[in-house]
Amino acid sequence: NAGVTQTPKFQVLKTGQSMTLQCAQDMNHNSMYWYRQDPGMGLRLIYYSASEGTTDKGEVPNGYNVSRLNKREFSLRLESAAPSQTSVYFCASSAGRGAYGYTFGSGTRLTVV
Amino acid sequence: GESVGLHLPTLSVQEGDNSIINCAYSNSASDYFIWYKQESGKGPQFIIDIRSNMDKRQGQRVTVLLNKTVKHLSLQIAATQPGDSAVYFCAENPANYGGSQGNLIFGKGTKLSVKP
Repeated sequence: NAGVTQTPKFQVLKTGQSMTLQCAQDMNHNSMYWYRQDPGMGLRLIYYSASEGTTDKGEVPNGYNVSRLNKREFSLRLESAAPSQTSVYFCASSAGRGAYGYTFGSGTRLTVV
Repeated sequence: GESVGLHLPTLSVQEGDNSIINCAYSNSASDYFIWYKQESGKGPQFIIDIRSNMDKRQGQRVTVLLNKTVKHLSLQIAATQPGDSAVYFCAENPANYGGSQGNLIFGKGTKLSVKP
């Protein structure tokens, strides 16, 4: 049981380049989330998808877009990368919103130069 | 690269001692709480959870205590081992399902360092 799988694990982009971070879960979870983690800032929610077919902004959505492709997959796109988007990105999933634990992927370390 | 543990409160303990990590949560209506462990270079990993109708829950070598009166959560690790070295953070469910407030709220974490 793989849980939550993120690709790629590492990426270096030049300012202005675009890329998509992929996330897939095999737990039949309804809800999925994208977070970024910066030193001293904790986990900050970028976007979430409460259920298949819906997406909503979190705390720090600017510069990002998401797609809930199906129940398993939730991708995060950077259309024009900026150095401020250098971070570690985590995807997570949960059975539903509310009183459920999240299962996290192993993260994508993104550097924008 | 920089570690997620930079700029965090740090707890340093001797191997074999017990560790207590504390967390103050923000919402008196929160009804569910989780502790996560994050090792360097890895994603957060679920340790233990507790619902608001309980004040104590035990797992393997870990105990979570909940004090709703003062909105305080603690994680106790018995016989701490070098493999317990990590960043630990709590999360709360605010029990408000309107908009983004229906998502878990994560604390910033405490770095646990275990000396052999």
